[in-house]
Amino acid sequence: ETGVTQSPTHLIKTRGQQVTLRCSSQSGHNTVSWYQQALGQGPQFIFQYYREEENGRGNFPPRFSGLQFPNYSSELNVNALELDDSALYLCASSSNPGTLNTEAFFGQGTRLTVV
Amino acid sequence: GDSVTQMEGPVTLSEEAFLTINCTYTATGYPSLFWYVQYPGEGLQLLLKATKADDKGSNKGFEATYRKETTSFHLEKGSVQVSDSAVYFCALFTSGTYKYIFGTGTRLKVLA
Repeated sequence: ETGVTQSPTHLIKTRGQQVTLRCSSQSGHNTVSWYQQALGQGPQFIFQYYREEENGRGNFPPRFSGLQFPNYSSELNVNALELDDSALYLCASSSNPGTLNTEAFFGQGTRLTVV
Repeated sequence: GDSVTQMEGPVTLSEEAFLTINCTYTATGYPSLFWYVQYPGEGLQLLLKATKADDKGSNKGFEATYRKETTSFHLEKGSVQVSDSAVYFCALFTSGTYKYIFGTGTRLKVLA
């Protein structure tokens, strides 16, 4: 067990709605990264938070936003949901954002379905 | 940009067969290389990693060697079990980029 927990596990939303996904990082980890995994694809990097600041961002539109809290837990917010946002959203925590040898511990993911 | 290419699946093997899943990469820097495994309905679990050329990562009978000359990190296992059935992702991480680059995954199905 990695200690990274995500909630909820499954979610169904309607196109145009907004959604918030949550992630509790592993104890001692100050870096949280979010990934989107579409069906049959590998995870794609959305963004990373380090000590409550966004520390890097992938090719996702601004309607994907995030927060990191003082306890290093994190939220992913998606506004104006589109059908293509249906995916497994993975959270990963790590002890350092850029160290080459760092391994990220992934949560179980949140399965978002947009209808 | 950096990228990872994996062999397409699904790969179907009989129990105790030899497994190879090919992975090649393109990177401007000197990445660390990883294999992650995803069991049905679960997140990603780190299987093994290698941080520099000629390093061999190993875990649970799986092995992969970081080959800089061929930019490859092929996953191998000498004798697969039904419990190895899962999707396997090859990934790279380059210092300073803040992110992992994943391949598209290879589904392995092992038959009893």
